[in-house]
Amino acid sequence: QKEVEQDPGPLSVPEGAIVSLNCTYSNSAFQYFMWYRQYSRKGPELLMYTYSSGNKEDGRFTAQVDKSSKYISLFIRDSQPSDSATYLCAMKRGGSNYKLTFGKGTLLTVNP
Amino acid sequence: KAGVTQTPRYLIKTRGQQVTLSCSPISGHRSVSWYQQTPGQGLQFLFEYFSETQRNKGNFPGRFSGRQFSNSRSEMNVSTLELGDSALYLCASSLSGGLDEQYFGPGTRLTVT
Repeated sequence: QKEVEQDPGPLSVPEGAIVSLNCTYSNSAFQYFMWYRQYSRKGPELLMYTYSSGNKEDGRFTAQVDKSSKYISLFIRDSQPSDSATYLCAMKRGGSNYKLTFGKGTLLTVNP
Repeated sequence: KAGVTQTPRYLIKTRGQQVTLSCSPISGHRSVSWYQQTPGQGLQFLFEYFSETQRNKGNFPGRFSGRQFSNSRSEMNVSTLELGDSALYLCASSLSGGLDEQYFGPGTRLTVT
């Protein structure tokens, strides 16, 4: 079983839809959770960085963490064609282990 | 503030050759991490450098190595290239690693023929 599981999609939605992206993880040592957006032929761009269980909102984006279920989500409200990209979840343990462990990414297309 | 830069952006090499990739972090950032991204395996951690010392290492063979210079710039070297090394190599910088946010460069796309 992979440490981080993410549905690769592809996911296609109409403009204005609410998008829900999810990851599950198996290792309870993960304490810090991130969402990155990667456009084609570009490097990943950090969208959200959370620690505690609960919700964190930034503009149209909401990150949700449920540590008891080992489940994280990213919601995109009022989706735009410019949101079309691959969305990657990433996680980090505490302590001195600094590497990020990524999901494989979900390809999202928002249709005008 | 300039972002993370990586050179070259594209490389084509032949099996058995070696390659060196370069990464310049965001000014003031002292931690540089390297990742390999492939369609099959996704993004996988290679190693992390801080103050010219390798601090963390992923599960890659010894053909993959790196170093960091006193100005925090980093290089990654792959020797005896194999077809399976074809990938997008990404570097990410952060202030001091640990729990700091990591910012990625655009990557170097390596094709091994």
